[in-house]
Formats: sequence, C-alpha cells, structure tokens
Amino acid sequence: DQQVKQNSPSLSVQEGRISILNCDYTNSMFDYFLWYKKYPAEGPTFLISISSIKDKNEDGRFTVFLNKSAKHLSLHIVPSQPGDSAVYFCAASGMNYGGSQGNLIFGKGTKLSVKP
Amino acid sequence: EAGVAQSPRYKIIEKRQSVAFWCNPISGHATLYWYQQILGQGPKLLIQFQNNGVVDDSQLPKDRFSAERLKGVDSTLKIQPAKLEDSAVYLCASSLGSGGLYVNAKNIQYFGAGTRLSVL
Repeated sequence: DQQVKQNSPSLSVQEGRISILNCDYTNSMFDYFLWYKKYPAEGPTFLISISSIKDKNEDGRFTVFLNKSAKHLSLHIVPSQPGDSAVYFCAASGMNYGGSQGNLIFGKGTKLSVKP
Repeated sequence: EAGVAQSPRYKIIEKRQSVAFWCNPISGHATLYWYQQILGQGPKLLIQFQNNGVVDDSQLPKDRFSAERLKGVDSTLKIQPAKLEDSAVYLCASSLGSGGLYVNAKNIQYFGAGTRLSVL
C-alpha cells in the first residue's frame, strides 16, 4: 500500500508559467516532507522541505504548501525554466510512523517538462 | 566538497550470479543509506547504517542481500544469488546527522548517482 502518492506521472508547462506538482499521503504520523529533483543518470537532489508545524515554506522560485487536514502537499515553481525539467519526488518521514528515524518514504515521482 | 561516490555505474549479470556495489559517502557523514529504485517507482530504503552499526534493515531481503559498513565509512551491498526482480538502480545516500526529524540541514540525505543493475 502506497503511503506517499504522486498521481500525475508527468506534467508539461510553458517556460515562465507556474508548475504545480502534487503529493498525497495516507499516514498521519508523517511529520516532515521533502521534495527531491532527479535528472537522468544522476541521483536525487534535495530541493526543499517542510515541517508539519508549518503550512508553507519558500526558497527562491520554489514554494511548498502543506494541507495537513487533507494530507496533501504541493510544490510550486514560479517562474518555470527549461532547466527545471526533471523528475520530482515527494518524500515523507516521521519519528513515530513505524519506521526508523530518518527513513524516507518516496512517491513514484512526476516528470516535469518545461518547454521553451 | 566531494559528493557520494558509487561504483560501478552499470552492471549486467545473469540470474543466480552474485554482484556487489560500493559506496563512499561524503566525508564526515555518520549515516549511510542504501535504496533500491525499480523502474517507475520511487526509491525504497533497504538498509540504514549509523557509523558502522545497522539502524534499520527491515526491508532488506536477508536471504540474498547483505550489506556492511566497515570502519564506519565505505559500504558494500551484495546480492547473492540475484533474481530477475532485482533489476533496479541501487542508490547510496549519506547524511551528516543521525536521521530523525528534519529540523536542520544535518539530516538532509545526499544521494550518489547510483548503480544500474540488469539481471538477465
């Protein structure tokens, strides 16, 4: 049973527009969420994170929003650039969800394509 | 700062053969992780070390997979014997801290480029 779900396998956006990547989770014990970006033939790279005590975290063009009641988070990229084209993974962690500390549960990823 | 190093980058073997992967984490990072990423899936944790001790190996298929982290630095992951379903990318990651709540940058996991294993 998937605990972290990214229901959109792919997303295509025009350069300069907003990209919105979505992620849903089922386990209410998760209390920390991260986004990783992955280019082909490279490992995932940490992008941005958010604690469950917050509902928004911003870093430059990247903003993550968390809706705990809906168990939903989203990553906004504004403005989108061709170099943002990659696979984006949502991941969740928590002290008491049942796994070890630091154990990340990943979604399947969403492939973002930003067209010039 | 050098990143997480993994080798080999690619490996093709036949089923029932053995294979080993090597990982050198970022210098000074206490925690090392091995993940398996099957095509179309997100990475799945296989084993987590803190220094040279195992923190979590609950998802490691111990009948065929083994891992060690000698002297708390480099690590090797071995599969013996390999099955067709072991075809995947094996990712190594490391973090400065010991995991837990990601309240600071110490617990961010940094990934290597991975080893792509094909079992024929």
